[in-house]
Amino acid sequence: AQSVTQLGSHVSVSEGALVLLRCNYSSSVPPYLFWYVQYPNQGLQLLLKYTSAATLVKGINGFEAEFKKSETSFHLTKPSAHMSDAAEYFCAVTNSGGYQKVTFGTGTKLQVIP
Amino acid sequence: NAGVTQTPKFRILKIGQSMTLQCTQDMNHNYMYWYRQDPGMGLKLIYYSVGAGITDKGEVPNGYNVSRSTTEDFPLRLELAAPSQTSVYFCASNPGQGARSGTGELFFGEGSRLTVL
Repeated sequence: AQSVTQLGSHVSVSEGALVLLRCNYSSSVPPYLFWYVQYPNQGLQLLLKYTSAATLVKGINGFEAEFKKSETSFHLTKPSAHMSDAAEYFCAVTNSGGYQKVTFGTGTKLQVIP
Repeated sequence: NAGVTQTPKFRILKIGQSMTLQCTQDMNHNYMYWYRQDPGMGLKLIYYSVGAGITDKGEVPNGYNVSRSTTEDFPLRLELAAPSQTSVYFCASNPGQGARSGTGELFFGEGSRLTVL
């Protein structure tokens, strides 16, 4: 079985402040991990992914995430928030063993305060 | 490439009616999925398919049916609509390679918002 837990359904940051969105995973085999972003009334789009290469993964729009096996975490960060970062962010997991299903977390809505 | 296309974008149904949500992709992806999204619940997998003629249940299949007669199309059928099926439905695809879903990256459509009254 596999699962992800996102801590905090809503996160507010000031424009220019650090963004930190938390994700912890559970997987019985080595995982592939993803962060997706959803803007209002749109589908999800891939922000970044970890597939067992480098543990620090850089994505689009200045976001990055670090895979920490010892902590079973894959937190998403951005050094300086921009108003355009306001969206809902989903962490997701599948596994490297050929499993077809992708399991999503419950999402974190990011509010950026001017 | 249009990617993943869903129709309709919005629909209101009465209790007991049936309808089909259409999904088509032009990327020649093997794997296709239907998710529903409810506030605070994330995305729940309804059905998925690893190729034409092959479908399987996800976490929440009750009240839905799917078919996959071609690589491109993966329609979702709602029979006897109920208020609990009010949701936003997303179709997604993944390249897949045989038994493997590759790196698992999903390509999403823009969603279909369904209200059952």
